[in-house]
Amino acid sequence: RKEVEQDPGPFNVPEGATVAFNCTYSNSASQSFFWYRQDCRKEPKLLMSVYSSGNEDGRFTAQLNRASQYISLLIRDSKLSDSATYLCVVRRGGGSTLGRLYFGRGTQLTVWP
Amino acid sequence: GAGVSQSPSNKVTEKGKDVELRCDPISGHTALYWYRQSLGQGLEFLIYFQGNSAPDKSGLPSDRFSAERTGGSVSTLTIQRTQQEDSAVYLCASSFGLAGGGGFGPGTRLLVL
Repeated sequence: RKEVEQDPGPFNVPEGATVAFNCTYSNSASQSFFWYRQDCRKEPKLLMSVYSSGNEDGRFTAQLNRASQYISLLIRDSKLSDSATYLCVVRRGGGSTLGRLYFGRGTQLTVWP
Repeated sequence: GAGVSQSPSNKVTEKGKDVELRCDPISGHTALYWYRQSLGQGLEFLIYFQGNSAPDKSGLPSDRFSAERTGGSVSTLTIQRTQQEDSAVYLCASSFGLAGGGGFGPGTRLLVL
């Protein structure tokens, strides 16, 4: 089983729509969680960290459910510029790979006018 | 401040030649990662350095691949006897200890003819 699983999409939504991405992780020792975005032919960039209590950054809301080992990202009022691939990332909290980042394969989002 | 830098940005080589890819992490970052990404694919983990600990080399695809990190800073990824399937974008990331997500460099686009 992969360390981080994501629905690859693609998600195609109109401007202004609300869209949600989900991600599950397999290792309960995971300690830190992030969402990255990657534009076509560019390197991934950190979008936001995900905290246990959930957190919001403008139109973006991230949620973490440790019991279910589940992470989500909600984008409200989608903009054309939100079109990208969104990567779910988990940092291992223990064992021989302490601190290593594990990336999901990404969920592709296209926002159309 | 300066982000992660990588060189060269592009490299074209002939099959069978050796190549060296360089990564300069963000100053003070103790963790350094190498990934590669083929067109349209997800990130493939290669190797992870964390401080003075032994590196996690579990992602290196063959013994033609090796990496070192000198003085806890600059890292070099070496691919010996390159093959066409080595063609990909090689991405380096660094992070501060076990906190925070990693920042990526712009990558080295490697093409093996």
